[in-house]
Amino acid sequence: SQQGEEDPQALSIQEGENATMNCSYKTSINNLQWYRQNSGRGLVHLILIRSNEREKHSGRLRVTLDTSKKSSSLLITASRAADTASYFCATDRRKEGAQKLVFGQGTRLTINP
Amino acid sequence: DVKVTQSSRYLVKRTGEKVFLECVQDMDHENMFWYRQDPGLGLRLIYFSYDVKMKEKGDIPEGYSVSREKKERFSLILESASTNQTSMYLCASRRRDAFRRIYNSPLHFGNGTRLTVT
Repeated sequence: SQQGEEDPQALSIQEGENATMNCSYKTSINNLQWYRQNSGRGLVHLILIRSNEREKHSGRLRVTLDTSKKSSSLLITASRAADTASYFCATDRRKEGAQKLVFGQGTRLTINP
Repeated sequence: DVKVTQSSRYLVKRTGEKVFLECVQDMDHENMFWYRQDPGLGLRLIYFSYDVKMKEKGDIPEGYSVSREKKERFSLILESASTNQTSMYLCASRRRDAFRRIYNSPLHFGNGTRLTVT
């Protein structure tokens, strides 16, 4: 079963604008991770936020985590054409063994020049 | 940088064939995973391995088996390929830095194998 649910499923914005993607999950987690996937390629890790953290930054990326609402958001500021990709959140399910990383279905982000 | 290499980018097989998908990582990671990715379904975990010769079923193990004889290599086997196994297969590895079974290391993915079963 899928743990993370990304929202929206697809997002199209102009270059230079900010892009926000959301992720909701159902069970307790150890951490939440965001990945990017360029078309036809494997996933690349972007950022990890632990369950006791509320916000984390990495370059133009900002991730927030609200464990009371079981949700996370990924903000990409000053978007570029190269940011066009699918973005996935993934959670380590706490009860079923920390080794299983469960992915959502992803948000398809298109940056228009 | 960690490198995860999947042996084939594209593969076409016939129904009923036995299919081997190979994955090799070069960073001495303990954990390795096989996912399949389908439109509208995201990534689903097939099997994972937390050490040599150790394996655990993921969410959709039916029709698949795995082999981990060496630490760097994790093979996915389709015993008798069927058309509903046409998919993108992604291998990943992860360092075990567990403290009380809490993993805080990312997955490193290969570029995927797009398998078509006809």
